[in-house]
Amino acid sequence: RKEVEQDPGPFNVPEGATVAFNCTYSNSASQSFFWYRQDCRKEPKLLMSVYSSGNEDGRFTAQLNRASQYISLLIRDSKLSDSATYLCVVNGGTSYGKLTFGQGTILTVHP
Amino acid sequence: GAGVSQTPSNKVTEKGKYVELRCDPISGHTALYWYRQSLGQGPEFLIYFQGTGAADDSGLPNDRFFAVRPEGSVSTLKIQRTERGDSAVYLCASSLSPEAFFGQGTRLTVV
Repeated sequence: RKEVEQDPGPFNVPEGATVAFNCTYSNSASQSFFWYRQDCRKEPKLLMSVYSSGNEDGRFTAQLNRASQYISLLIRDSKLSDSATYLCVVNGGTSYGKLTFGQGTILTVHP
Repeated sequence: GAGVSQTPSNKVTEKGKYVELRCDPISGHTALYWYRQSLGQGPEFLIYFQGTGAADDSGLPNDRFFAVRPEGSVSTLKIQRTERGDSAVYLCASSLSPEAFFGQGTRLTVV
């Protein structure tokens, strides 16, 4: 089993749609969780950290369920500019500080 | 700029040659990471430094790969006897807190 697994995607949605991505992680000792965004042929960029209480940043909402070892990202009112690959990232566990990435989920928002 | 800097941005080398990839982290960041990313995949962990020491090198695929960070700042990833399968984008990231920030990567092509 991979350490971090994401929805296979790709997701193709119209502008204005709400879309949700899911991610599971295998190591219950993991401590920090993130969503990164990666545009084509660019480096990953931090989108948001994920906290146990859930957190929101504008149109983006992240949730963490430690019991189920599950992370989610919700994007409301999708924009064309949201088209990218979304990477679920987990830090810690057996190796504190090591960031483990999921394979990414491709999102395409169309007019 | 104040971001993570990687050089060169592109490197084409012949099979069997030796290459060095350089990473200049954000000033003051104690943690430094190397990842490798192939098309359609998430970044694959190679090695992680805290200061000068390698805290976790479990991702280095074999003994042809080696990385150093002698003064706790700049890091060099060294690949000996390159193979075509080493072709990928090599990403470096640095961190002070759990969140990590990436450079633009070095695209290595082995021909």
